[in-house]
Amino acid sequence: LAKTTQPISMDSYEGQEVNITCSHNNIATNDYITWYQQFPSQGPRFIIQGYKTKVTNEVASLFIPADRKSSTLSLPRVSLSDTAVYYCLVGDGGSQGNLIFGKGTKLSVKP
Amino acid sequence: EAGVVQSPRYKIIEKKQPVAFWCNPISGHNTLYWYLQNLGQGPELLIRYENEEAVDDSQLPKDRFSAERLKGVDSTLKIQPAELGDSAVYLCASSLGGQFEAFFGQGTRLTVV
Repeated sequence: LAKTTQPISMDSYEGQEVNITCSHNNIATNDYITWYQQFPSQGPRFIIQGYKTKVTNEVASLFIPADRKSSTLSLPRVSLSDTAVYYCLVGDGGSQGNLIFGKGTKLSVKP
Repeated sequence: EAGVVQSPRYKIIEKKQPVAFWCNPISGHNTLYWYLQNLGQGPELLIRYENEEAVDDSQLPKDRFSAERLKGVDSTLKIQPAELGDSAVYLCASSLGGQFEAFFGQGTRLTVV
């Protein structure tokens, strides 16, 4: 399984756009990139998933360059409620199918 | 539709005592995961089920931990005997498998004293 590297923490202010980058140099051809969000005292929650280029949903955008060795989760106009830990996962979900979490990025949004 | 349901939400036990956690996944989800999460760390996979088969239990400490998923639906994770270091949050998740998103329960916070 491809190993991921993310910043341990990030700070932002309300209304700003936040970009969290994840490095996955050893990503395999069949691997997808998935991001989860976790609030204190809750289980992780799926945010977005992509394979290449750009994916956008009502919560975030995911940018994946052509070489797929990194990806960037973009949160537009964050609010205090976006304060959470964000995890980047890489895997093919196939025969292995395990969701392997790293330490994640702790995002703190300030007023 | 109900999400993944775990019980109990909190459990305090003395060391060397047994403890069990229960998970009811989302209906129709064949894949079920158990995770352990320590404070400030990401979830660590303990075991993954595909229906009733444990397809990956390589990270499960089998000397004291056991799990079962009878009939491929509900699952139980047991620790016997519990140690102080087992204090953590135990998370259950389910999915349709493959690249489909996983849905997590709220977890069981275990405190061993």
